[in-house]
Amino acid sequence: EAQVTQNPRYLITVTGKKLTVTCSQNMNHEYMSWYRQDPGLGLRQIYYSMNVEVTDKGDVPEGYKVSRKEKRNFPLILESPSPNQTSLYFCASSLSTRLAGGEQYFGPGTRLTVT
Amino acid sequence: QQQVKQSPQSLIVQKGGISIINCAYENTAFDYFPWYQQFPGKGPALLIAIRPDVSEKKEGRFTISFNKSAKQFSLHIMDSQPGDSATYFCAASKRTNYGGSQGNLIFGKGTKLSVKP
Repeated sequence: EAQVTQNPRYLITVTGKKLTVTCSQNMNHEYMSWYRQDPGLGLRQIYYSMNVEVTDKGDVPEGYKVSRKEKRNFPLILESPSPNQTSLYFCASSLSTRLAGGEQYFGPGTRLTVT
Repeated sequence: QQQVKQSPQSLIVQKGGISIINCAYENTAFDYFPWYQQFPGKGPALLIAIRPDVSEKKEGRFTISFNKSAKQFSLHIMDSQPGDSATYFCAASKRTNYGGSQGNLIFGKGTKLSVKP
């Protein structure tokens, strides 16, 4: 089944404890992206990657890191999480922004709570 | 600065009625305008999208109307059904020099639609 998977789905952690949220897609998509969703603010893009080893900042990159060492995986790293990073996180992928016009397939989400 | 403004925040419609959600944008470089639908506990999914070279696009009960001069676009859901109850997001992105859409997709804040039976 073609899909975007995220792990973990739920995570409760403490301030300052480094964590990684994994994202993987099995559709051979070139483009991948991370978003956070907060009540009343909609979806805001954190980072995106046009292809392997190519990443760029979205609208809210502060406090986050990403890497794209292989096509299928795009992990989101929080080096020192803070309570304001408590949110619902979505990973998304697209075949190619050039060919697909930007249609993005979203994962099921990761609910992160930082205390 | 909010680049894509969406209204209303919430909408209640009777079954069989028409649901209308509006979005306005500021950046004239935007040239791809998708609508995403999100059910509770799920990730958003692409519903329908339009480019500014057409003024309207229809897929089943869902229609996008686009007004380039006013920098506005809207989603119309005809014969709304309880199964349409979800949160709807409009979005916009910019074209790159090589013809694709730029990776930075800007979303509106969302509209929670409830369709009453």
